[in-house]
Amino acid sequence: AQKITQTQPGMFVQEKEAVTLDCTYDTSDQSYGLFWYKQPSSGEMIFLIYQGSYDEQNATEGRYSLNFQKARKSANLVISASQLGDSAMYFCAMREGPNFGNEKLTFGTGTRLTIIP
Amino acid sequence: GAVVSQHPSWVICKSGTSVKIECRSLDFQATTMFWYRQFPKQSLMLMATSNEGSKATYEQGVEKDKFLINHASLTLSTLTVTSAHPEDSSFYICSARMGGGRYEQYFGPGTRLTVT
Repeated sequence: AQKITQTQPGMFVQEKEAVTLDCTYDTSDQSYGLFWYKQPSSGEMIFLIYQGSYDEQNATEGRYSLNFQKARKSANLVISASQLGDSAMYFCAMREGPNFGNEKLTFGTGTRLTIIP
Repeated sequence: GAVVSQHPSWVICKSGTSVKIECRSLDFQATTMFWYRQFPKQSLMLMATSNEGSKATYEQGVEKDKFLINHASLTLSTLTVTSAHPEDSSFYICSARMGGGRYEQYFGPGTRLTVT
């Protein structure tokens, strides 16, 4: 079974609209972390936001927020007031187990977001 | 802060030769570095995890004798693709963790390897 599932291979959104990128995960660990990364066409991976499994509040970082629904095992990324520069691939990733330092990330297949002027 | 560099950014080599890719954390000490591989239009696949001063831990299916990883210091890890073949052509990305309870991995800009 896939550990991270991103069901939207591509999305087109009008500039200034909000967009939600879906991510569901599968783990039997009680302690885990969820990440979102942005990959522009240049290739670098840019860290956007993190949610720990024990965090009670949804994470927010500027225009990015993470809609964490633990019971549903979903961690959707919400981008408010989208901008042309948001056009990129977006990857959801998960770290399983406690945060001790060398835990690997498992990535989803990504969603290509295109912002339309 | 938290900048990771990779060198070279792209390389073309002939089949049978070896290629070394460097990953450096420029403004922090990285207790752990990770090497990923990404094929076109696909996700990142972890190849190995390296901790400074110890042997790398390779993921299942990754040939350790082909992909040599050396984490020589807290700011430098190298990946050497030995006896490269065209099927090794890919985008190789490293990432680094700060340690000290920080959870995010900071990624390098990637190295595009083309083996002819």
